[in-house]
Parts: sequence; C-alpha cells; structure tokens
Amino acid sequence: KAGVTQTPRYLIKTRGQQVTLSCSPISGHRSVSWYQQTPGQGLQFLFEYFSETQRNKGNFPGRFSGRQFSNSRSEMNVSTLELGDSALYLCASSLEPGSGEQYFGPGTRLTVT
Amino acid sequence: AQSVSQHNHHVILSEAASLELGCNYSYGGTVNLFWYVQYPGQHLQLLLKYFSGDPLVKGIKGFEAEFIKSKFSFNLRKPSVQWSDTAEYFCAVKSFQKLVFGTGTRLLVSP
Repeated sequence: KAGVTQTPRYLIKTRGQQVTLSCSPISGHRSVSWYQQTPGQGLQFLFEYFSETQRNKGNFPGRFSGRQFSNSRSEMNVSTLELGDSALYLCASSLEPGSGEQYFGPGTRLTVT
Repeated sequence: AQSVSQHNHHVILSEAASLELGCNYSYGGTVNLFWYVQYPGQHLQLLLKYFSGDPLVKGIKGFEAEFIKSKFSFNLRKPSVQWSDTAEYFCAVKSFQKLVFGTGTRLLVSP
C-alpha cells in the first residue's frame, strides 16, 4: 500500500501571500489530520477532517483552513502568510476519526521570507 | 486539555547502553498513550501504544513502555540500544479526540 503523500515537499513564499498544501491519505483511510512542526513548539494539531467535514480543530488563527474531498484527499490553506508560519506541515491519515494510530506523510517544508 | 512533558531534550548513549526516556502527561482518568519515532530522513511512525490492560507494552524494534497511573508517566525503555536507534522520539496522549505531542527527545547513539 502506498503511504501518505504530500505535495509540494518544499515551498518558499513571501509574507502576505497565501499557500495551499495537499495530502493524499493511505488508500481506505478516511480521516486526515494536519500538524505544524516547529523547533520551538514541537508538533501542534491544526485540524482533522473525516467524510469531508472538519471534526476537530486546534488553536490556530482563522488564516489556517482546510478541506477534504470525496476521495479523502485533503488540502490546507494558509492566507496572509507571516514569518512565524515557517514550519514543517505534516499530514497524517487514519482509518477512523479521533484515532491515535496515525500514519504520517513526509511533510511540506514551508519557508516564509 | 492534556499536556505532555518530555524531560530529556537530547540524549547521547553508546551502543549497548540501556535507554529510558521520560514522558509525563498532565492529568488522570482514562488515557490513550503513544510513542512515535522519527528516524533521520524518514516519516514519523508509531512505535507503541497503550489503551488499557497490561501496563507494560511492547512495541517494534525491542522497545517497551510502562504506564504508571500514579505517576502520570509512560516512559520508553530499551535494554540495549543500537546505532540505528538514533532518532527523535515523541510521546503523545489522546485528548478530546486529538493527539497532543511532547516536544520530543533527540537520541544519538554512538557506535
């Protein structure tokens, strides 16, 4: 089975721009979660989608949003980028929502200049 | 909501040494606990999990963890580490249907 894939792997944007990241879960997994990983804060939960609905949300501003499509693929969007948004964004999929057993992708490294 | 503390940020060991990485979560009740590992250049992956039952759980690659309810702890152990165990280790607890991670411990095993 193919693992979780994320595109693009690397991205450089300037402040004020917006960005869209994509995630394809493992086949058969219907839940997708997103995390932000930074050296100072570690891994922080952004949101989780299941059956095209956001089921859970972390403590991030409204500039961070996401969606899920009928094939379970998910995208996250960050608008009005700030320097502090530079991070590794990880996507994880699981069979069921709220599962602690998650399968992670390689991440998208976002650099905001 | 729960929080997770990993006290050791960096650990350096020689091969064959024993390993124990600390993990504490903030409050009791029913908890689901996890250890994840990120090897250099690889994805974050599940090492082991605890839901209920035997408080000593065994995971992949010879790792085990012990859930001690009275201490709110879930420490990771391995009797004899190998160079290939060099990685970053994350403890996590499920809280309100989402995973809350510790800040991670970087383990370097020297040959």
